[in-house]
Amino acid sequence: DGGITQSPKYLFRKEGQNVTLSCEQNLNHDAMYWYRQDPGQGLRLIYYSQIVNDFQKGDIAEGYSVSREKKESFPLTVTSAQKNPTAFYLCASSIPATGTGELFFGEGSRLTVL
Amino acid sequence: GEDVEQSLFLSVREGDSSVINCTYTDSSSTYLYWYKQEPGAGLQLLTYIFSNMDMKQDQRLTVLLNKKDKHLSLRIADTQTGDSAIYFCADVYRASKIIFGSGTRLSIRP
Repeated sequence: DGGITQSPKYLFRKEGQNVTLSCEQNLNHDAMYWYRQDPGQGLRLIYYSQIVNDFQKGDIAEGYSVSREKKESFPLTVTSAQKNPTAFYLCASSIPATGTGELFFGEGSRLTVL
Repeated sequence: GEDVEQSLFLSVREGDSSVINCTYTDSSSTYLYWYKQEPGAGLQLLTYIFSNMDMKQDQRLTVLLNKKDKHLSLRIADTQTGDSAIYFCADVYRASKIIFGSGTRLSIRP
């Protein structure tokens, strides 16, 4: 079945370490997104990519980095520069703008900084 | 910028109707969405409404859109325990960026 796979589901990190969250999709979607979810704050956009080898900053990109070398993959690195990285991270993809704009989400990765 | 607002919590009795409300600010929205998030999981699209519609019904779900007041609501009839989740309203801002509300946590009491 087609879908979006995020890994790992749970991740613990010591302060000062970089971590990379994986996001893979087999839906053949052009656009991919990373959101951060904190309790009571909804979803905030970190980075998005509308095409391979291109990506743009979202509303809270500081302390994060991404790459889009393949259509199906959009990994997110949480760097040591991110001051408060403990959160639930969601990856999503969508079909081009001619569709309804529906986002398809992965199951999420929960990062805890110890 | 665009803002989408929802109340954070709603508690209803099993079998009653749940009504979750949302307000938005972007008058150029083409689609408005309701997503559902179950505990520890990602979001799934529950339903959406095109901006030239006033109402959309899909089984137990009814979406009402008041464009004049920029108000969107989701009604769940005969609420069941499986409906316990966080419900997010979302809007497409300037035809390119999806803005989410803070989410309404629906809890069901017996």
